[in-house]
Formats: sequence, C-alpha cells, structure tokens
Amino acid sequence: QVQLVESGGGVVQPGGSLRVSCAASGFTFSNYGMQWVRQAPGKGLEWVAFIRYDGSNQFYADSVKGRFTISRDNSKNTVYLQMNSLRAEDTAVYYCAKIPINSGWTDYWGQGTLVTVSS
Amino acid sequence: QPVLTQSSSASASLGSSVKLTCTLSSGHSGYIITWHQQQPGKAPRYLMKLESSGNYNKGGGVPDRFSGSSSGPDRYLTISNLQSEDEADYYCETWDSNTRVFGGGTKLTVL
Repeated sequence: QVQLVESGGGVVQPGGSLRVSCAASGFTFSNYGMQWVRQAPGKGLEWVAFIRYDGSNQFYADSVKGRFTISRDNSKNTVYLQMNSLRAEDTAVYYCAKIPINSGWTDYWGQGTLVTVSS
Repeated sequence: QPVLTQSSSASASLGSSVKLTCTLSSGHSGYIITWHQQQPGKAPRYLMKLESSGNYNKGGGVPDRFSGSSSGPDRYLTISNLQSEDEADYYCETWDSNTRVFGGGTKLTVL
C-alpha cells in the first residue's frame, strides 16, 4: 500500500540547520511531484515547497525562499527538505505529500515529523 | 496567485447534513481545488478533487456521504448523515504555475 514516512525532525537552535526526509513506497515515485507542507501548533496548513517528478523545477513559499531547499532522489524513492537559518516561526509539523504527474492535486499525505526551533 | 477563503467554523447535528464552502479569489473562479480532512491529532487526508464544473473524484475509502459541487468561484463540500468521526478540520487547496495555496480551514463540530 502507499506509504510516505517522514523522518529527521527534532529540536534545533535558532540559526541552525536540519534536514527532514520522506521515504515513499507502494507507488511509482518518479511519476509524482512531491511537496512539503507545514502546520505550526494550533494553526492551519501552510505550503512550503514543491518539486517536479523529475526534480527539474522547485518552487518555494516566500517565507522559506533562500533558506530551505527541496530535493529528491528517485533511485531511493525519497524527497528531502534541507532547512537552514531556522527561526522560531519555523516550528511546525512538516508533512510530505504526493501529486500525480501532469496534474496538480495532492492525493496522499505522510504522517508528519515535528521540527522545534528553540534555544 | 489564487487565494482561498473558508469560514473558520461550522456546526451541525449528528445525522444531519452540512455544506462547507471554499471561495476562490477574483480571476481564479475556474480553478480546480482539492478538499482535505484533518481529524484531531492526525495527518491530513485527501477527500476529493473538485472541478469548476462540479465534477469531483474522491479518494479511496472516502464514504459516499461526502460529495462536492461548484458554483462560480465557490467550491462546496457536503457531508450527509453526519457522524461523530466527521468532526475535524477541513481544508481546501489549489495551485498555480509556481505556487500552491491552502485555505485557512473550517473547524466542523458535530453536535
């Protein structure tokens, strides 16, 4: 069955870096765009970043542009989010989600990983 | 870029029906959206893709009680025969060429 499993979350100090990963299984990973979406405590969903099925293009929310980098390794069925210069307001649960090729809609979510930015 | 507007809360009685609304910003009334459900303490779950025509495609395992419809810039999620497990936050999502957007979410309370 389809699975998206996030990992790598934890506590990091302001200004620090962290990389979270999302391992995919149960579907043809290279046929899907992937995105990261976050949810701060008690808040709604916020789109963070998107990468096309082949990694050819990446797009970012203004709030993370220049600090976060999304990448993927289709040989490992994994998408990554490298987060640098972290701020307290980046504290959130980070979800990965898949988007079928040549469509636009999110059709499956992972369970999320918590990132806490605190001194 | 598109903006999605949702009411912050809604409530309805057990066994009744409720219609949630997601409104697209001016100039974006033809956009496809998706509806997602987030039960307390859980990850979001894809419910359906909804087109401007009103055609919708539900995700696997989504009960028949869930349906979608559209009118102009408004996209609706109707839940019939409300169950206690339907108490959740409901988000709509759309996308443009280089950005993706979520509505603020509607918290549904089942009375």
